[in-house]
Amino acid sequence: DADVTQTPRNRITKTGKRIMLECSQTKGHDRMYWYRQDPGLGLRLIYYSFDVKDINKGEISDGYSVSRQAQAKFSLSLESAIPNQTALYFCATSRSNSYNEQFFGPGTRLTVL
Amino acid sequence: SQQGEEDPQALSIQEGENATMNCSYKTSINNLQWYRQNSGRGLVHLILIRSNEREKHSGRLRVTLDTSKKSSSLLITASRAADTASYFCAPVLNYGNNRLAFGKGNQVVVIP
Repeated sequence: DADVTQTPRNRITKTGKRIMLECSQTKGHDRMYWYRQDPGLGLRLIYYSFDVKDINKGEISDGYSVSRQAQAKFSLSLESAIPNQTALYFCATSRSNSYNEQFFGPGTRLTVL
Repeated sequence: SQQGEEDPQALSIQEGENATMNCSYKTSINNLQWYRQNSGRGLVHLILIRSNEREKHSGRLRVTLDTSKKSSSLLITASRAADTASYFCAPVLNYGNNRLAFGKGNQVVVIP
């Protein structure tokens, strides 16, 4: 079984719809992250969480919100999706040490029409 | 930019040849990591080099780090078709909760 899973894997939605992307991990890691990947722009950090009560904004948090429901679960919401949020979204986890080696989920391809 | 910047951004080589990629960054780092991404999939951690290390090996991978020049290189020896992927360097900054500053990636194509 995969250590970091994401659901759904693909989603097509319309402008203005609310969307939730979910991430679960069985690695026992404290830290979880949400990134988006756009062609030619690499990965950009949206939000991250160091434990259940900790939420931090990343580089591009506008238009997104997150919830850390449990140590193993971290969800990303788009309250009102817009076309420029079309991207590949990745969840990642890491241990609580200073090296921050990250383990990625398989990604969610989101298309906003 | 705080990001790592890979060079070249695209590389095409014959199977069996070595592939070398470079990464530059601008700020003080805790460590630097390299990741691989197969098309449309999640990133996979390849290797980590600490700021006090100069060279590290893992299988067919060799990573160097020159903190005075703020640069790193990744060498893949005896490349295989399965090495075809995008490779990302990720300097881990000494501030901002040690976040990874991913570059835009380097597309490597290994021709069988």
